[in-house]
Amino acid sequence: GAGVSQTPSNKVTEKGKYVELRCDPISGHTALYWYRQSLGQGPEFLIYFQGTGAADDSGLPNDRFFAVRPEGSVSTLKIQRTERGDSAVYLCASSQISHNEQFFGPGTRLTVL
Amino acid sequence: EDQVTQSPEALRLQEGESSSLNCSYTVSGLRGLFWYRQDPGKGPEFLFTLYSAGEEKEKERLKATLTKKESFLHITAPKPEDSATYLCAVQAAHSSASKIIFGSGTRLSIRP
Repeated sequence: GAGVSQTPSNKVTEKGKYVELRCDPISGHTALYWYRQSLGQGPEFLIYFQGTGAADDSGLPNDRFFAVRPEGSVSTLKIQRTERGDSAVYLCASSQISHNEQFFGPGTRLTVL
Repeated sequence: EDQVTQSPEALRLQEGESSSLNCSYTVSGLRGLFWYRQDPGKGPEFLFTLYSAGEEKEKERLKATLTKKESFLHITAPKPEDSATYLCAVQAAHSSASKIIFGSGTRLSIRP
């Protein structure tokens, strides 16, 4: 595909459950980013991958959040023991290493009941 | 602490009424300042990158400018399709080639 894709587009879960959110970056982009966006706010940085490794995970709010990118392409954001405060839109972006412009996917809207 | 503040929070204009959006930033060394457009239910769409004070970039009815403390997004003779939230973000020179700090955005509404 031409752009960043994310699945699912919407996820409703119950408090305490485990969820996985998937991101397919633009082909050839080695850098991948996860953000979280609450209503009326700008995206908040969570984690950055360069290739397969997490180069910067300083934005992850706590150890319930984890992300992987095992083959340097698709990434999965994993949230354990979800809480109502985790409800937000989770955005993924990718970029070429030599460029700063990040290209965003449409996001996954997570609702924790 | 690196910070980005956008004003106004919301702006309603008549079609054809030009205006400017403001992005004030505090960062210990600027690597780059970015403008994005975000439509409801979609991810941000990249518009511009500015790197140094005095730099300007244009795209259709939009022009972005940069000083040492702020950036402006000027919109000339806007049309209803320009209605969106406009996000400003900065990347600090001391950060890894990753972290971008976003402002809360300006919701722009253009009435026909």
